[in-house]
Amino acid sequence: SYELTQPPSVSVSPGQTASITCSGDKLGDRYACWYQQKPGLSPVLVIYQDTKRPSGIPERFSGSNSGSTATLTISGTQTMDEADYYCQAWDSSNWVFGGGTKLTVL
Amino acid sequence: EVQLVESGGGLVQPGGSLRLSCTASGFTFSTYEMSWVRQAPGKGLEWVSHSSSSGFTIYYADSVKGRFTISRDNAKNSLYLQMNSLRADDTAVYYCARWGREEAGPKDAFDLWGQGTMVTVSS
Repeated sequence: SYELTQPPSVSVSPGQTASITCSGDKLGDRYACWYQQKPGLSPVLVIYQDTKRPSGIPERFSGSNSGSTATLTISGTQTMDEADYYCQAWDSSNWVFGGGTKLTVL
Repeated sequence: EVQLVESGGGLVQPGGSLRLSCTASGFTFSTYEMSWVRQAPGKGLEWVSHSSSSGFTIYYADSVKGRFTISRDNAKNSLYLQMNSLRADDTAVYYCARWGREEAGPKDAFDLWGQGTMVTVSS
């Protein structure tokens, strides 16, 4: 079965750039998306189709996907961006999530 | 307001059954594919089941195949998950999620999530 691999944790200082990776076999050949989840709340879509931002998502969130790795980049990270982030892709009638990355802003 | 509201969660004994409901409002439910996604306590997101907009095409994760049944009633703007033969490892918050669309086509992502309903399987 298809698997997506994320680092368990990433740390970043306020105002700096955070990068969260998601690796999967030939992931660049399919669309990847990203969700943000804060404690006790439901996930929120922040990037879809590799690079697109839904309305209401700040411009500091961006995405890329090539080869076997998709990357979520947060520029000028703010303390409010501290959350868990999940990548997701579709493979053979399975909707696959990465294990999640806890982003700490300190 | 565009929203999804889940209900039906609770405490159930191992081997028991439960039926979850998800009621949609603020959008044309019958034109969207829908999924159930769960999250065990302190764990990540796990896709459970998916329904086409008509309900005629359905998919399940291997972990629930043969035990769970997804269905929908477009006249009632509702999605359901019938869960049978429940096990301790089914304990999780269950979310319904909308598979998004835009004018150009599918968004290839879940663009709307409910607040979730907790299912606890324990004796």
